[in-house]
Amino acid sequence: SQTIHQWPATLVQPVGSPLSLECTVEGTSNPNLYWYRQAAGRGLQLLFYSIGIDQISSEVPQNLSASRPQDRQFILSSKKLLLSDSGFYLCAWSVRVETGSGYTFGSGTRLTVV
Amino acid sequence: DQQVKQNSPSLSVQEGRISILNCDYTNSMFDYFLWYKKYPAEGPTFLISISSIKDKNEDGRFTVFLNKSAKHLSLHIVPSQPGDSAVYFCAASAYNNNDMRFGAGTRLTVKP
Repeated sequence: SQTIHQWPATLVQPVGSPLSLECTVEGTSNPNLYWYRQAAGRGLQLLFYSIGIDQISSEVPQNLSASRPQDRQFILSSKKLLLSDSGFYLCAWSVRVETGSGYTFGSGTRLTVV
Repeated sequence: DQQVKQNSPSLSVQEGRISILNCDYTNSMFDYFLWYKKYPAEGPTFLISISSIKDKNEDGRFTVFLNKSAKHLSLHIVPSQPGDSAVYFCAASAYNNNDMRFGAGTRLTVKP
């Protein structure tokens, strides 16, 4: 069966520090991968999605970046965190180009920038 | 650009009664709609979906209705249970698109 792992679960980082959140998927090949953010009191905002290795699409201009060095690994990074980067970050995967397959989400990372 | 909208941030319902959560969308290319349920500090989990060729899909206590002309869908939960208390997200996708758009969510509270 397919599983998705996301870590760490919680993170407190000072402003200006770097960030690296990792997400891996098991039990499937060539998944679409996504990073979402849920800010306090807001919905799920799509940050990045990837349809293949080194193929990243960005939805929102920001100081975050994403990379996909391997087929089932998706990394969210920042060189210098801002206070506004605080939020709940979710990684998700879906079957490639199959409408309606839905997403499977990881358990999320609560990031607090102080 | 909010393509999927959930205009009610919260809803409170008595146990045993019906919960109705609403969702509107603007993109006429959307052809698949989903509802996700999310508990605090967890990722959303898939609840129920409907394709644009249908106007109703039922799964146990959960029914989703789609009105394409109005670009509106709703989730009915009957009877509501305290364990249904969570944030519900509406989502939509278009054929051959690689992403899905989510609404802002509605927090449902079911009171015993």
